[in-house]
Amino acid sequence: EVQLVESGGGLVQPGGSLRLSCSASGFSFSSYAMSWVRQAPGKGLEWVSSLSGGGIRTFYADSVKGRFTISRDNSKNTLSLQMNSLRANDTAVYYCAKHDSSSYYYVVDFWGPGTLVTVSS
Amino acid sequence: SYVLTQPPSVSVAPGQTARMTCGENNIGSKSVQWYQQKPGQAPVLVIYYDNDRPSGIPERFSGSKSGNTATLTISKIEAGDAADYYCQVWDSSTDQHVIFGGGTKLTVL
Repeated sequence: EVQLVESGGGLVQPGGSLRLSCSASGFSFSSYAMSWVRQAPGKGLEWVSSLSGGGIRTFYADSVKGRFTISRDNSKNTLSLQMNSLRANDTAVYYCAKHDSSSYYYVVDFWGPGTLVTVSS
Repeated sequence: SYVLTQPPSVSVAPGQTARMTCGENNIGSKSVQWYQQKPGQAPVLVIYYDNDRPSGIPERFSGSKSGNTATLTISKIEAGDAADYYCQVWDSSTDQHVIFGGGTKLTVL
């Protein structure tokens, strides 16, 4: 059974940093691209960042480029998102998302339950 | 930039058919996915590659595409179908990459 479990969310002050982690199980982690998708309170889904199965190719939304860094440790089946220079509008539930391919990003076939990040003073 | 347009809300009576649209000028050249999200829960994939259904998704859910519009159709609506529905494409030609529509809230009357 595929499982994705996010951790690391919480309350952080504007300008601060936070590192999210996603622990994966039930599938061959290194064989699949992964993404982070966020959802601000009461709003829709917003793609944040993606990473190929091998961890070579990375992609970022313009809204987080230069501030967020996506990475993965395939030996530990873990996806991470380092978030720096956080802003109030980064407040959202952050979902870890699995794609159905190593290097194509057409489909998210499984989502974690999400972790809430609140940026506020 | 690539923008997927969805109506904010659709209301349907139980037993009837709900149709939710997703529009963009070049959507005909893209593979469209649909996700269902119930309050307080993570999204769930219900349609992929325009009209394929993941295992476990009822046959009442179907997808189609015509011209500049993709459509998610849910027949024989049940109370449990009430949710937000998002369309999504992958645009490999731009930095936007994974693109979601704004979502449609399906209300079962």
